[in-house]
Amino acid sequence: LAKTTQPISMDSYEGQEVNITCSHNNIATNDYITWYQQFPSQGPRFIIQGYKTKVTNEVASLFIPADRKSSTLSLPRVSLSDTAVYYCLVGMDTGRRALTFGSGTRLQVQP
Amino acid sequence: GAGVSQSPSNKVTEKGKDVELRCDPISGHTALYWYRQSLGQGLEFLIYFQGNSAPDKSGLPSDRFSAERTGGSVSTLTIQRTQQEDSAVYLCASSLNPALSYNSPLHFGNGTRLTVT
Repeated sequence: LAKTTQPISMDSYEGQEVNITCSHNNIATNDYITWYQQFPSQGPRFIIQGYKTKVTNEVASLFIPADRKSSTLSLPRVSLSDTAVYYCLVGMDTGRRALTFGSGTRLQVQP
Repeated sequence: GAGVSQSPSNKVTEKGKDVELRCDPISGHTALYWYRQSLGQGLEFLIYFQGNSAPDKSGLPSDRFSAERTGGSVSTLTIQRTQQEDSAVYLCASSLNPALSYNSPLHFGNGTRLTVT
């Protein structure tokens, strides 16, 4: 299983762009990179997924360099409601049944 | 549509009692996962079901933990002779059949908060 490493915590202010980087040096060829967001007392929620280069949706962007050994979740113009824990998950379900979450990054957005 | 539903949302039990936690996955999702999350910690994988295949039980912490999935839908996680260290939030997730929908993301319920006194 690809092990992931993320910063434990990050602080930001409203309106700023936040970039959270995840390292996954032993990512396998078929592995996808998926990011989840978790608020207190809720289950994680899917944010974005990618395989290579850049992916953008209405919530975030995901940047993946050519070697795929890391990925960066970019949240544009964060608000207080973006305060949450963000998890980077690397793997694919097919052929491997257990998807292992890392410890996550606790993002605190201040006014 | 309806998401993953877990019940009860909260459960307080005495040490030594058995508990059952229920998960209703999203209709049509054949993959189902159980995770455990202790206070302020990340997610710990417990068990995985995919269709009619034998479940992956590699994450179950002891033989007091078991899970079943009836009819390929509802799942029950059972903890026998509960201990205080079992106190945590138990999260269930489901996804589409990975063989048909490559790397489908997980959809989580809001969990069952278990407190063992």
